[in-house]
Amino acid sequence: AQSVTQLGSHVSVSEGALVLLRCNYSSSVPPYLFWYVQYPNQGLQLLLKYTTGATLVKGINGFEAEFKKSETSFHLTKPSAHMSDAAEYFCAVSDQGNMLTFGGGTRLMVKP
Amino acid sequence: DAGITQSPRYKITETGRQVTLMCHQTWSHSYMFWYRQDLGHGLRLIYYSAAADITDKGEVPDGYVVSRSKTENFPLTLESATRSQTSVYFCASSDRRGGNTEAFFGQGTRLTVV
Repeated sequence: AQSVTQLGSHVSVSEGALVLLRCNYSSSVPPYLFWYVQYPNQGLQLLLKYTTGATLVKGINGFEAEFKKSETSFHLTKPSAHMSDAAEYFCAVSDQGNMLTFGGGTRLMVKP
Repeated sequence: DAGITQSPRYKITETGRQVTLMCHQTWSHSYMFWYRQDLGHGLRLIYYSAAADITDKGEVPDGYVVSRSKTENFPLTLESATRSQTSVYFCASSDRRGGNTEAFFGQGTRLTVV
């Protein structure tokens, strides 16, 4: 079975500060990992994904995530937060043929 | 327009009524999914479909019915709505079941059962 835990349902940062959203997963086989973003009243859209190869993955809007197998983590970071980054972020895992399993989500708030 | 669309965007219904949420995609993706989004639970899979006339249960299927007579449509029916089914429902599609394939999401239907 696969599962995802996102630490912190709400994260607040100041504009220009580092964004760090935490994600830990469990999977019985090498996982595929995803971060999705949901803006208010919209569906989810893919930010980035890890499949194989380079463990540091770059996504849209300046976000990146690093797959750390030893820590079973896939934390999302952005060096400098922008007001437009305020949204809900979901980490998800898929172990090969299985469905996506989502974490509980983290709401990012950006203070001016 | 290309993409995945859900209707209605907002729906209020009474307990015990039947309600159907519609989902339409234009990519000819083989897989379609229904999720519900609730505070603290993230997204949970209700049902999915691998192709026309092939459907299967997800994590939380009780109280829901799906059908897929055409590849592009995947309606979700609540046969007798209950207050616990108040939620935001998302339809998604992809060209594979999982693995490294991105799923594309509709804008969601906010359903309130009173």
